[in-house]
Amino acid sequence: QVTLKESGPVLVKPTETLTLTCTVSEFSLNNDRMGVSWIRQPPGKALEWLAHISSNDDKLYSTSLKSRLSISRDTSKRQVVLTVTDMDPVDIGIYYCVRHTRFLGFDLWGRGTLVTVSS
Amino acid sequence: DIQMAQSPSSLSASLGDRVTITCRASQSISRYLNWYQQKPGKAPSLLISAASSLQSGVPSRFTGSGSGTDFTLTISSLQPEDFATYYCQQSYSTPWTFGHGTRVEIK
Repeated sequence: QVTLKESGPVLVKPTETLTLTCTVSEFSLNNDRMGVSWIRQPPGKALEWLAHISSNDDKLYSTSLKSRLSISRDTSKRQVVLTVTDMDPVDIGIYYCVRHTRFLGFDLWGRGTLVTVSS
Repeated sequence: DIQMAQSPSSLSASLGDRVTITCRASQSISRYLNWYQQKPGKAPSLLISAASSLQSGVPSRFTGSGSGTDFTLTISSLQPEDFATYYCQQSYSTPWTFGHGTRVEIK
């Protein structure tokens, strides 16, 4: 069964760096039709795309958050890692790891992980 | 960035009603428009891609249409499991962007 699973801290302090890991199963990070994105959702609010890494390791970022984001992957571990620097309470929300398939869209979602920012 | 404007932000409807949700892009996106359904406490799921291609397993009461800047998601006869929030998303160019969502509630 194809899955994506997010892991990382539930709570971070303001100004700290958040590191989230997405572990994928049953699909290859080298599949040239697929890539992995991170999308977040503040409580009660809309979805916000953050970052994407493609099968050839190209990286794309949200315009507004580009300076704070970094996405990388380890194909041997089947993992995609997102870091967000200088965390603030406005960054509170559910962070989803999502597979993006060309010509389809975000076709497979992880269950998401809730991140809270508080001192 | 391409802005996606969804309307209405919420609606109340009864079982069996026909429901229409609109999504407008700030520039032409051809047919690079996807629709997602999100139920409370769950991750979104892909309903329709490329404006009108229904994903496998999605009931035929869901239809998508449009091109350019104006798109529509229609539910022909609302069922209990359709009460959810629906998002449009453009895949024409990065940064990929979502609409603010339309919450479909029970009347």
